[in-house]
Amino acid sequence: NAGVTQTPKFQVLKTGQSMTLQCAQDMNHEYMSWYRQDPGMGLRLIHYSVGAGITDQGEVPNGYNVSRSTTEDFPLRLLSAAPSQTSVYFCASSYSDDGGDLGTQYFGPGTRLLVL
Amino acid sequence: RKEVEQDPGPFNVPEGATVAFNCTYSNSASQSFFWYRQDCRKEPKLLMSVYSSGNEDGRFTAQLNRASQYISLLIRDSKLSDSATYLCVVSNTGGFKTIFGAGTRLFVKA
Repeated sequence: NAGVTQTPKFQVLKTGQSMTLQCAQDMNHEYMSWYRQDPGMGLRLIHYSVGAGITDQGEVPNGYNVSRSTTEDFPLRLLSAAPSQTSVYFCASSYSDDGGDLGTQYFGPGTRLLVL
Repeated sequence: RKEVEQDPGPFNVPEGATVAFNCTYSNSASQSFFWYRQDCRKEPKLLMSVYSSGNEDGRFTAQLNRASQYISLLIRDSKLSDSATYLCVVSNTGGFKTIFGAGTRLFVKA
């Protein structure tokens, strides 16, 4: 199993450009999420999905869109990049445990984004 | 006040030392608790879940205190390879919104 894969690993954008960060998992997990990590801030949840066709906002959703057309893929779209979106982006997938709560989250290697 | 707070450290300890980290959370409805480990410029990986009765995994012991709303991680006999950032993670009942602490940095010296 490849686990959780993310592309690209690095990206430089100019302000106002749009792009899509790709995320895929091959563990048949129903839950997927996107986080951004900034120095001193920890990981902050951007959007998450509890299954194909179902998405919801996390803590910092503004400026980002997501969709979940398949169980495997969960792309994150930056609509109009801003310097404040310079960050490291992690995608994660997980299952729910017997009690319906979130189990272990498996993270991709991250995408380092610089917006000039 | 942040929902999940950790002492950022860094903690600098010699090999073989015992070190403890605490993490406090503000939402009393929180249901699931975890410690993740993150190496420099890498993705976080699960270290251990935290159960109400406390749990141990080798040199690592995790405790949960619901009354005071904190969780702790104890590392015994520290190894150089334990050097990393330790992230406290909390999620709400039946929910998939997880909150990460900013992490505690640990350096283990020879």
